[in-house]
Amino acid sequence: NAGVTQTPKFRVLKTGQSMTLLCAQDMNHEYMYWYRQDPGMGLRLIHYSVGEGTTAKGEVPDGYNVSRLKKQNFLLGLESAAPSQTSVYFCASRDTGGNYGYTFGSGTRLTVV
Amino acid sequence: SQQGEEDPQALSIQEGENATMNCSYKTSINNLQWYRQNSGRGLVHLILIRSNEREKHSGRLRVTLDTSKKSSSLLITASRAADTASYFCATDAWNSGNTPLVFGKGTRLSVIA
Repeated sequence: NAGVTQTPKFRVLKTGQSMTLLCAQDMNHEYMYWYRQDPGMGLRLIHYSVGEGTTAKGEVPDGYNVSRLKKQNFLLGLESAAPSQTSVYFCASRDTGGNYGYTFGSGTRLTVV
Repeated sequence: SQQGEEDPQALSIQEGENATMNCSYKTSINNLQWYRQNSGRGLVHLILIRSNEREKHSGRLRVTLDTSKKSSSLLITASRAADTASYFCATDAWNSGNTPLVFGKGTRLSVIA
């Protein structure tokens, strides 16, 4: 099925460890996004990309890095995980033009202990 | 910071009743979108209404937009137990090109059979 695939679905990290979350979409979408969702906070934008090779900061970028080497993939990295990064991470994508809804992945639940 | 704020935070109704959720936002927008999130899942795009539209329908969903009051409402008619989910409004800034959506904190809807 076409859509956005996130891996892994669950992960537990120790403080200071690093990891990469992978987002892959097969819809040839130009734009991709990483959000985090915390209880009572809704979704907050971490980083986004408007095309292959481009990235930009969102509302809460500190502690994260991203790369968009291939159009279909958007990677989110945590270099040194902190308990404050415990969250559910969602990737989303959309086509060009301003009037299309986002397609979301099913999320990655990350716990940092 | 969230652009949209949903009201109420939580809503509990009986199956067959109508559910109304409201969203207020702060700045001028290109369009406003509504999303549904089932527990433990990613968000699903429901409907998009453009800033020059006042009302839009999709099946049992009715969305209104009042740009003078910077508010929108989502009405779900004849609700079903399967409508139990969280509902989010999302906006993008007016004439901003392709800036990412900013999401509200959501309304949790419970439909009791």
